[in-house]
Formats: sequence, structure tokens, C-alpha cells
Amino acid sequence: DIQMTQSPSFLSASVGERVTLSCRASQNINKYLDWYQQKLGEAPKLLIYNTNNLHTGIPSRFSGSGSGTDYTLTISSLQPEDVATYFCLQRNSWYTFGAGTKLELK
Amino acid sequence: QVQLKESGPGLVQPSQTLSLTCTVSGFSLTSNSVHWVRQPPGKGLEWVGAIWSGGSTDYNSALKSRLSISRDTSKSQVFLKMNSLQTEDTAIYFCTRLWRTVAPFDYWGQGVMVTVSS
Repeated sequence: DIQMTQSPSFLSASVGERVTLSCRASQNINKYLDWYQQKLGEAPKLLIYNTNNLHTGIPSRFSGSGSGTDYTLTISSLQPEDVATYFCLQRNSWYTFGAGTKLELK
Repeated sequence: QVQLKESGPGLVQPSQTLSLTCTVSGFSLTSNSVHWVRQPPGKGLEWVGAIWSGGSTDYNSALKSRLSISRDTSKSQVFLKMNSLQTEDTAIYFCTRLWRTVAPFDYWGQGVMVTVSS
């Protein structure tokens, strides 16, 4: 089974700051990597699919990159509404989620 | 528009069977797959299983022996049955759509909280 490791587990940042979240797979996942945002009490919301494709309606301050085993979600200028937990998901071999990064405002 | 909605009992006794329903609208079950994902309180997400557009199923290997997913296409409903429930099965259960095999999970239901307790 493919394991997904997200870092950091918690992140505190200021409004307007550039934020980078990481996800590492235990083996090559061929860019089948998606990012989800989950706010308290809500279902996960798709942000980025296949590493770097912005889902419909998602603000352009969100972007993704990576290849092989290492992937990154970047928020170019953090907004208050971005406070949430972010999960990565690999779809290369079945489906495995990362444990999440909880993003808070400083 | 595309919608998914989970329903089922909020409380199940240990060793009993959980039955959940996902009612969908805005798309066809014969051309999309529906997956179940669960999330224990305060924890991460776990893929549970799927029913594909052709009707075949796949399950998380850790849950396979206790799990069954089926559907009624005429009612646009997908069913999850999990037996021998334990407290570790306490979680929010979500259903979500995959419009083709290599696509992401783009639409999700709001989830249903299931508590396993006597």
C-alpha cells in the first residue's frame, strides 16, 4: 500500500503570507495527486487535481506542483477564509489520503 | 446540479450491522462511480470502497471481509453495509463521485455521523 506523509501537521501564518504545504508518497505516484480543503463540519472540497490542475471555481492563489514522490500545495497570499485542514490524496494505486495539515492564522 | 446525500442511523450497537444510503442527483450511476470515504472524529480520511459505473465493486482491503456496496440505479441510490461494527468504526461517512476512472473526487455529500456505542 502507498503511504502518504504530510508536513507540517500544523501551520500558523499571517494574512498575505505565502504558505507551502508538502505531501510525500512512499513510492512514485505519477502525479496522481489531489489536494482538498476541509473546513470544520464540512465535506472535503477539491482544490487541485493531478498535481497542478486548478479545480473549477478555486482562486488562483492556490497552486500545486511536484512529481515522483514529492508534491506541494502553495497558497500565494493567505486569506482568512483559507483557515482549514488540507489533505492530499494519491490515486495512482487505489486511494490513500495524507493525515492533513491544519492551517491557522497567526 | 450534481448532489449526493448520505442517510442512515446515527447510532449503531457494537457487533451490529451498519446500513447507509447515498442518494444522488444530477448524474447517472451507470456512467459514474460512487465511493465511500470515512473520517473518525478529529482524524484523517480513509477510503472505504466503491461501486463502479458497470456495477462492479472494490473495497479497502482492511474492511473487505465486513463490507458490501450495492446500488439501485432506478432510484439513484448507493448502499453501504458493514457488519460486525466496533467502536473504531465511529466516523463521519461521506459518499463522493468519480466521473471517470482517472478523475478526482469532485462532488461530495455532507456526510453522516455514525457512532458505534452500546
